[in-house]
Amino acid sequence: NAGVMQNPRHLVRRRGQEARLRCSPMKGHSHVYWYRQLPEEGLKFMVYLQKENIIDESGMPKERFSAEFPKEGPSILRIQQVVRGDSAAYFCASSPGGGRYNEQFFGPGTRLTVL
Amino acid sequence: DAKTTQPPSMDCAEGRAANLPCNHSTISGNEYVYWYRQIHSQGPQYIIHGLKNNETNEMASLIITEDRKSSTLILPHATLRDTAVYYCIVSPTGTGNQFYFGTGTSLTVIP
Repeated sequence: NAGVMQNPRHLVRRRGQEARLRCSPMKGHSHVYWYRQLPEEGLKFMVYLQKENIIDESGMPKERFSAEFPKEGPSILRIQQVVRGDSAAYFCASSPGGGRYNEQFFGPGTRLTVL
Repeated sequence: DAKTTQPPSMDCAEGRAANLPCNHSTISGNEYVYWYRQIHSQGPQYIIHGLKNNETNEMASLIITEDRKSSTLILPHATLRDTAVYYCIVSPTGTGNQFYFGTGTSLTVIP
């Protein structure tokens, strides 16, 4: 059973460009979480999605950031008009859902560098 | 905000047990304690979780005090590959609850 997949692993963008980060959850998992880790800091929650639904986006910046988890295909975190402060590692996690535990399995992350 | 408090750093000799404490004095009755670790900026790796009973798996043991206000993660025979940042997280029962990662404990295993 493959783990959580994220691509690309490294992404370089110039200021003002768009960044698209992809996350394929573990097989059988229908719940996806996105976290951001700034240099030398802990992970910060951004958004929680189920298939075709955003459940909790309380950690998402109000502008330029969006996320989706379509019925088919990976979850996408989209950052429009990137700025240098968006440079960070973005981690996706997935969980099977429906149980008592909130065990989340993390992917290897996408490291975004904004020039 | 993270509901846990951990020492910022610890050292442990290779082959010895590493005991990592965590304070979660405001934990609620429906909240589990989860431990993750992050090795050199890789994705966080799940270690163990528990509610009120002590738990053990192939990686570690989790000791939770009777009042549930604190816990200790035990790595029985630390190796150099256990050098990582260890995060203690409390989260309510059920799926969909975000994890609040604090600053964790940076464990260095010394040869």
